[in-house]
Amino acid sequence: DAKTTQPPSMDCAEGRAANLPCNHSTISGNEYVYWYRQIHSQGPQYIIHGLKNNETNEMASLIITEDRKSSTLILPHATLRDTAVYYCIVRTSNTGNQFYFGTGTSLTVIP
Amino acid sequence: GAVVSQHPSWVICKSGTSVKIECRSLDFQATTMFWYRQFPKQSLMLMATSNEGSKATYEQGVEKDKFLINHASLTLSTLTVTSAHPEDSSFYICSALPPGTVRGNTIYFGEGSWLTVV
Repeated sequence: DAKTTQPPSMDCAEGRAANLPCNHSTISGNEYVYWYRQIHSQGPQYIIHGLKNNETNEMASLIITEDRKSSTLILPHATLRDTAVYYCIVRTSNTGNQFYFGTGTSLTVIP
Repeated sequence: GAVVSQHPSWVICKSGTSVKIECRSLDFQATTMFWYRQFPKQSLMLMATSNEGSKATYEQGVEKDKFLINHASLTLSTLTVTSAHPEDSSFYICSALPPGTVRGNTIYFGEGSWLTVV
């Protein structure tokens, strides 16, 4: 039931910005885009979420296209500890508030 | 620090026995909790939505009689794997949804529980 498409893997040099894309072409007007990451053998960690405006917090920035059909998570200065699987999730608009995970992007930060 | 805690972190049980995993929200009351299962090198699969004081809602293909979910209080949900078999060995993860717009209406995940059935 996941409604997002992400590249399976990406590499990024340490200290550089990591830009992780996500396609969600069927997103509805009231559905949010959430980003989580999962480091091996741990529970997912919340990163950021947004509706239509770009968002920034201490961890990352989220850029959502004007038509909302895609978004990009930006880690401004990737470190080795950012190596993880990153999941882009469109939150369902029904009353259940479920989060369905897609396959995610495995990001490897290279020294 | 963690706002959702799971216990145990890992458990080994014999085939045919039952095992219970607890999920607690530590600093908010969660009327809704979710249970996921994750096999190695795969994504998280939503198993069920647990609502306090009512029966859980199971995803298609998840056996409700095998995976018993109880959400008796606003801070505790439990998952019991009954008559466990080796194919039930997996990483089980819970998450909790704060009420209203608390914490940006974001769900928070526990650390996960590794189950190995031998």
